[in-house]
Amino acid sequence: GENVEQHPSTLSVQEGDSAVIKCTYSDSASNYFPWYKQELGKRPQLIIDIRSNVGEKKDQRIAVTLNKTAKHFSLHITETQPEDSAVYFCAAPEYSGGGADGLTFGKGTHLIIQP
Amino acid sequence: DAGVIQSPRHEVTEMGQEVTLRCKPISGHNSLFWYRQTMMRGLELLIYFNNNVPIDDSGMPEDRFSAKMPNASFSTLKIQPSEPRDSAVYFCASRADRREQYFGPGTRLTVT
Repeated sequence: GENVEQHPSTLSVQEGDSAVIKCTYSDSASNYFPWYKQELGKRPQLIIDIRSNVGEKKDQRIAVTLNKTAKHFSLHITETQPEDSAVYFCAAPEYSGGGADGLTFGKGTHLIIQP
Repeated sequence: DAGVIQSPRHEVTEMGQEVTLRCKPISGHNSLFWYRQTMMRGLELLIYFNNNVPIDDSGMPEDRFSAKMPNASFSTLKIQPSEPRDSAVYFCASRADRREQYFGPGTRLTVT
C-alpha cells in the first residue's frame, strides 16, 4: 500500500513569513495529492490539491508543488496569518482497482503562527 | 446541502459494550470512507465503499470492527465488543467521482 511521510511535525513561523511543509509518497502510480487543514476539534477540510499532470498549482497565498520523479510534494503558505494556525495533512490515494480510492494521510504538521 | 452527517457526535461507553456509529453521505456522492483519528496513529483509513459495495477493508483493525452500507444514503461502523484502545475520533467522508472527499464532523468515542 501507499506510504506517506510528512515533515516537519511542528513548524513555528513569524506572522507574515512563509511556511513550507513537505511530503513524500511511495506508490509511483499515485496521481492525486490533496492537502487538508484541520483546526482544533474540527473536521479536516481540503485547502488545495494537485494532479500529476501539473507541477504546480496556486490559490492566493497557498501553493502546492509536485515532483513526480522524486515522489515528493510540498505545501507553501506565504504571508502567513494567525488564522493559518492549524494542523495540515498531506495525502495520497490508496488504489484498490475497485473504482474508488481511499486516502493515506501523512502524520500531520502543527503550524504555529507567532504574532 | 447539509454535508456529511454523523451520529452520535459523542459516545461514551464501557468496555465490552457494542458501539454503532452512523453516517449519511452527501446526496449524489457514490463513495463513502470511514477514518479513525488518534494522536498516536494519526488519520487512518478503515474501510471504503463505492456504490454501496465495500472495496477495501484492509484498514479495519480487528474482527471486532464491521461496516455496512445498506443503501446510498446510510452507513454504519460497528465495534463489538468495544475496548479502551478503540477510543478515537471516527470520521466519515464521501465523494463524487474523482472529486474531493468531504469529511463529516466526526464521532468522538470514549471507551472506559
